Amino acid sequence: GQQVMQIPQYQHVQEGEDFTTYCNSSTTLSNIQWYKQRPGGHPVFLIQLVKSGEVKKQKRLTFQFGEAKKNSSLHITATQTTDVGTYFCAGRGGNNRKLIWGLGTSLAVNP
Amino acid sequence: NAGVMQNPRHLVRRRGQEARLRCSPVKGHSHVYWYRQLPEEGLKFMVYLQKENIIDESGMPKERFSAEFPKEGPSILRIQQVVRGDSAAYFCASSPGALAVSTDTQYFGPGTRLTVL
Repeated sequence: GQQVMQIPQYQHVQEGEDFTTYCNSSTTLSNIQWYKQRPGGHPVFLIQLVKSGEVKKQKRLTFQFGEAKKNSSLHITATQTTDVGTYFCAGRGGNNRKLIWGLGTSLAVNP
Repeated sequence: NAGVMQNPRHLVRRRGQEARLRCSPVKGHSHVYWYRQLPEEGLKFMVYLQKENIIDESGMPKERFSAEFPKEGPSILRIQQVVRGDSAAYFCASSPGALAVSTDTQYFGPGTRLTVL
């Protein structure tokens, strides 16, 4: 079945360092979504990418969707302690309404 | 403009009891999803429902678990005869069910933390 792999599982950075998490699908995706879950909280939608090669920015966050629509990345520039949490990617393939979720990357930021 | 509401937020049950989790989607949303999250783990899809219909229950255990989304009222996730392994956070999400399937976004509730003693 369709799988979405996310790496790394954990990442510790010093405040001010950059951070990247990668998401790879076993099949071509129609779109991919990114969510953030703060410790003790619930997932919150960040962004959706639909087009091949698409790049979107939200302040210090840059999201990319690969040309083949099988991988995606989230890059945070100059991390802050408010970036702490788990970042999930979730991809949808074809006409399937069910999102396939990655296991998430937990980000810890040392002040 | 209420978001997804879940109750209770915390639920403690003894082994063998029933747990009933409720989810009220965003007003106007007709699609509901249930997920389970174990500590330090990712989200595991359980079931996807529309009003009065189960669309996909491929992630739900065959026994003891059931879900419904009646025409009126909240969606209910029911766990019968709970065991310690059922302890987890259960999240509900809703989406508007837009015609453009590929642009649905899921809005999550705060979750129900179930503890089985």
